[in-house]
Amino acid sequence: DTAVSQTPKYLVTQMGNDKSIKCEQNLGHDTMYWYKQDSKKFLKIMFSYNNKELIINETVPNRFSPKSPDKAHLNLHINSLELGDSAVYFCASSQELGTASFTEAFFGQGTRLTVV
Amino acid sequence: GDSVTQMEGPVTLSEEAFLTINCTYTATGYPSLFWYVQYPGEGLQLLLKATKADDKGSNKGFEATYRKETTSFHLEKGSVQVSDSAVYFCALSGSNDYKLSFGAGTTVTVRA
Repeated sequence: DTAVSQTPKYLVTQMGNDKSIKCEQNLGHDTMYWYKQDSKKFLKIMFSYNNKELIINETVPNRFSPKSPDKAHLNLHINSLELGDSAVYFCASSQELGTASFTEAFFGQGTRLTVV
Repeated sequence: GDSVTQMEGPVTLSEEAFLTINCTYTATGYPSLFWYVQYPGEGLQLLLKATKADDKGSNKGFEATYRKETTSFHLEKGSVQVSDSAVYFCALSGSNDYKLSFGAGTTVTVRA
């Protein structure tokens, strides 16, 4: 069973389009995240949700809108895609980051987004 | 804010060589420290972790010790294999912190 799964794995789209990336975790975790990895492999937090509530929004453009319909899902919708949005986007989940019960974050396989 | 600095790569080694990747951190309080590994085309996997000072994390022959006095968490392996070729990330989680902060990543290539 895949612990954190995200779809699609690859996404090629034109500038100006709107696209979504879906993420699901079957670990029963309370906290989910979106990270962006650039071409130099640098990982930057975008959003963090705890129990479906937005906890962190790290100065991400308004074109990026996360949505958590339930604790097991955190989807990422991107409007008006730009060339600079090309990157690998990782979803992750953990149990109560920032508390004594945190052990590790589990990552999905990533979605490679290419905007042309 | 909390941050992690790790040595820049890329690092290229021969099989059975000794590997060290330096990692230092800046944080208030007592963060938890992690090493994650990313194999080509895959997501990140936890390699090892330490949650308090002087803890040693170990896994798959890799080790790292949480040194509060030097704010460091250096990764070491005594004898690398070709299969250890990957990108290695040092990370920390501060108390009351709903995120992992990552270092820039170090690409390691092991040649046969």
